[in-house]
Amino acid sequence: GNSVTQMEGPVTLSEEAFLTINCTYTATGYPSLFWYVQYPGEGLQLLLKATKADDKGSNKGFEATYRKETTSFHLEKGSVQVSDSAVYFCALRRTDKLIFGTGTRLQVFP
Amino acid sequence: DAGITQSPRYKITETGRQVTLMCHQTWSHSYMFWYRQDLGHGLRLIYYSAAADITDKGEVPDGYVVSRSKTENFPLTLESATRSQTSVYFCASRGLAGGPYQETQYFGPGTRLLVL
Repeated sequence: GNSVTQMEGPVTLSEEAFLTINCTYTATGYPSLFWYVQYPGEGLQLLLKATKADDKGSNKGFEATYRKETTSFHLEKGSVQVSDSAVYFCALRRTDKLIFGTGTRLQVFP
Repeated sequence: DAGITQSPRYKITETGRQVTLMCHQTWSHSYMFWYRQDLGHGLRLIYYSAAADITDKGEVPDGYVVSRSKTENFPLTLESATRSQTSVYFCASRGLAGGPYQETQYFGPGTRLLVL
């Protein structure tokens, strides 16, 4: 079946550190892939997406590349800020539905 | 206001009571979804709807009922609330496949439900 696996958190970093949050997926065919972000007390917001292999999604300094050969979609940012502290969800879409990973909490300290 | 809204934002109820959570979107999106968010499980799909009067089960539908008589509304009812239904509930919507926003799912702010 279709599933998404994310690294467990929390991920704790100092401001300006490099961020990687790993995401791998299992799916039939070639799903669209997404990263959503949830700030405290809010709903999820789309951060970036990629719809086919080798596509790179990017937004707000975050990037993720759709790697078909490793079935991965790792999230990266070169220099995190305190305001990036949130929970990040990797997801895939097959047919009508999104399938989410369990989320990774990021905590950035000054 | 434009967007997707949920009400109430917070709800406390007792075991056995019926509870209805409301979701309203102003974009005329075809698809609407209900998720629950629990620690260690991420978001799990309860029910979804592809259009008015069309609904389908998600991963965890037991104990929930939905209806969609109008495109913009998608209420979720807990017919007889149980403690295991204590959770944060999110509604979401998405446009039709082939449209410019087909890939983006927009989420409401959530409803925190506590069942005592």
